[in-house]
Amino acid sequence: GQQLNQSPQSMFIQEGEDVSMNCTSSSIFNTWLWYKQEPGEGPVLLIALYKAGELTSNGRLTAQFGITRKDSFLNISASIPSDVGIYFCAGPTNAGGTSYGKLTFGQGTILTVHP
Amino acid sequence: EPEVTQTPSHQVTQMGQEVILRCVPISNHLYFYWYRQILGQKVEFLVSFYNNEISEKSEIFDDQFSVERPDGSNFTLKIRSTKLEDSAMYFCASRRGAQANQPQHFGDGTRLSIL
Repeated sequence: GQQLNQSPQSMFIQEGEDVSMNCTSSSIFNTWLWYKQEPGEGPVLLIALYKAGELTSNGRLTAQFGITRKDSFLNISASIPSDVGIYFCAGPTNAGGTSYGKLTFGQGTILTVHP
Repeated sequence: EPEVTQTPSHQVTQMGQEVILRCVPISNHLYFYWYRQILGQKVEFLVSFYNNEISEKSEIFDDQFSVERPDGSNFTLKIRSTKLEDSAMYFCASRRGAQANQPQHFGDGTRLSIL
């Protein structure tokens, strides 16, 4: 089945630093989603990307949909302590051409921000 | 902002017992999902549900699992005879329509602990 590989697995940074993480796949995705998960909570959607080459921002977050449709990156600028959490990329996979939207998740990037 | 709600937040059950996890999806959403996250691992798809029937299920979703939408608001996941390896966070998600620009929204999950 389709798999998403995220890197790095974890990051330890100082407050104020910029962060970059990425997600790659061996097969094409038509949509890329970036979620954040904090302890004890469900994934919260940060950014959704729908077109190859698309660059989208949400506050200090910027994500891009790779031109090959096999990768995406997420950047966080000027990190703050509340950015701590696990960041997942995800993409919907089709079943026999239909789009019921089952999501495949990457394994996540754990972000720790030191004040 | 409307959200997906799940109950209970934590369920402790003896191995072999039946358990029902409950979800109230966002009210105008039509597609419903259950996902599972074993501690420290990525989020995995279990089942999707649309138009009162299962539209897709994963290999994890065997005969011990079932889903139901008993009324216009609740969406439940039942595990008939729980096993130790069923211990995980279970997330419900919903999506308004089939269009690609409508991502899934997740609840905060139920932590299921099997003793």
